[in-house]
Amino acid sequence: VQLVESGGGLVQPGGSLRLSCAASGFILSSYWMSWVRQAPGKGLEWVATIKQDGSENYYVDSVKGRFTISRDNAKNSLYLQMNSLRPEDTAVYYCTRFPLFYFDYWGQGTLVTVSS
Amino acid sequence: QSVLTQPPSVSAAPGQKVTISCSGSSSNIGNNYVSWYQQLPGTAPKLLIYENNKRPSGIPDRFSGSKSGTSATLGITGLRAGDEADYYCGSWDSSLSAHWVFGGGTKLTVL
Repeated sequence: VQLVESGGGLVQPGGSLRLSCAASGFILSSYWMSWVRQAPGKGLEWVATIKQDGSENYYVDSVKGRFTISRDNAKNSLYLQMNSLRPEDTAVYYCTRFPLFYFDYWGQGTLVTVSS
Repeated sequence: QSVLTQPPSVSAAPGQKVTISCSGSSSNIGNNYVSWYQQLPGTAPKLLIYENNKRPSGIPDRFSGSKSGTSATLGITGLRAGDEADYYCGSWDSSLSAHWVFGGGTKLTVL
């Protein structure tokens, strides 16, 4: 199993960014998937979770209406569209596999920095 | 402030045993599984325990998990310098707004 995130970087407050996660070594369509973030020097924070077919999504309250989790099983990819970014969204974002109810595999993470 | 409460730090000498507690409520730990994660410095978290007390393949039996009511405990025996890391508990919270919750993390220092 391998999860490789990409798309992080520096963005201004109010800006947008789209994170991608390339999954390999397992059948993506068989698993729920999630994003978890970690602000610099802080603990883990769950961000969002998506069902195998994309029909159910769950979000932490602080990102509802701003972030959208999606997936393309045919492309073995998970995404996180982040709009209206705030400085407090600055964190390393991890792509994780979520076989109900735990995170069994994690990517290496991609850093998102929201700053002017 | 995290929904699940963990001690900020614990410490013990090599070879000793340490336990890390995780306290929650009926909407999370009380009615859902608990999992534990180890994060070594500068690395991504790794699953240590899932479904309260199960170890993934490759995790040594020095690591154990238990749950009672609305609390859970991670135990580590035969401490080694390489166990020095941050440890997080987590659980699904099935309150009105279903979501996942983590503890604030516990820094383990091997003296």
